[in-house]
Parts: sequence; C-alpha cells; structure tokens
Amino acid sequence: DVKVTQSSRYLVKRTGEKVFLECVQDMDHENMFWYRQDPGLGLRLIYFSYDVKMKEKGDIPEGYSVSREKKERFSLILESASTNQTSMYLCASSLDRGRDGYTFGSGTRLTVV
Amino acid sequence: GQQLNQSPQSMFIQEGEDVSMNCTSSSIFNTWLWYKQDPGEGPVLLIALYKAGELTSNGRLTAQFGITRKDSFLNISASIPSDVGIYFCAGSFGNTGKLIFGQGTTLQVKP
Repeated sequence: DVKVTQSSRYLVKRTGEKVFLECVQDMDHENMFWYRQDPGLGLRLIYFSYDVKMKEKGDIPEGYSVSREKKERFSLILESASTNQTSMYLCASSLDRGRDGYTFGSGTRLTVV
Repeated sequence: GQQLNQSPQSMFIQEGEDVSMNCTSSSIFNTWLWYKQDPGEGPVLLIALYKAGELTSNGRLTAQFGITRKDSFLNISASIPSDVGIYFCAGSFGNTGKLIFGQGTTLQVKP
C-alpha cells in the first residue's frame, strides 16, 4: 500500500514563527499536493508539484511556500505563522494526473497562538 | 474558480437506514471520486467514476456519475456505526491533475 507520512499529527506554534510541515511518500509518485481542511469549507488546495523542484500555486497560496528537493518529500512552509492559519493540513500524492484519486496522509493539526 | 456543492452538510440517522448525498458542479468533470474521512485520519478513496451514467458499487456503497457530467451521488445502504465520518466528493477535469473537493457531508449513525 502507498503510504503518505506527515511528520507531526499535532503542532502548536506562536504567531510570527516560521513553520515547516513535512510530507513523505514511499511509492515513487510524481505528484504531491498540500491541502488545508476547515469546517464547512472542505479541502482547499494550497500548492502542488508534478516533479522535483517544480511547484505550482493552488487556490489559496498566500502566506505559504513549498519545497520539493527530492521526489518523495514535499514540504509546506508557513513563512510567518498567523492565527488564521490554524487548520488541519493534509498532504496527498498521486501517480497519475488525478484520474485514480490521491492517497492522503493522516494530517497535521496546526494551532497558531 | 470551479466549485462543488455538496449536500447535505450533515446527517444524523438511525443504524440500518439508507443514506444519500450528492454533489453538483457548475462545470463538466471527467472524473468523479468519493472519499471517506474517519475522525483523526486523512480521506480514503471509496469509489471512482469515469464515464457519464456510470453506476459503481463497493459493498453497501453505490455511486453514480451524472449524465450531464455535472453531478454525482453516493448512497449507503443499511448504515452501521462504523459509517460515521465525513464524506467528500471530488472531481477532476482535463489533464491538470488537480481535484476539486466538495465541502463534505458529516454522517453520524445512532446505534
């Protein structure tokens, strides 16, 4: 089975901190995605990547950046955390262009205080 | 941007009842997917649909790809307590690789 592993299940950070969320997948998938999940809003795409060192903005990229130095790892960076970035963050990967869906990690619940 | 409207937002049902939820889009999709998210976990794929009119089952779950390609529904028959969770529809279009997700339907089942 494909595994997508997110490094932390829960994080508490202070406003203004730089925050790194790490995601690793073990099945050689080309495509990786970062979503945030908020009640009533579903899953919203932050950034995605189709290849190493490649990144594209999703629907809500403001306040975030990403890094993909290796195929298996996709990092989400909050440059200066703010309270409105308190959310559940989900990483996903896929082999194709979404036709067979994504495999998600278990999520990181981030609280910014 | 594209949006998916998923309804209902939440459901509270008795064990054994059937459940129905649906998604509608303002645009045509090539693929419809249904996911379930258990509490504290990431979403897991339940059913994938690739053709207009397609009807696919997975155990007690049945999903259909609407004829207009702008909607899809998911039915759960004879619900059980482990059906509890959030159900998401998702659609993809073209070859972008991006999925658009609905807002989710939270299902609670009373034993």
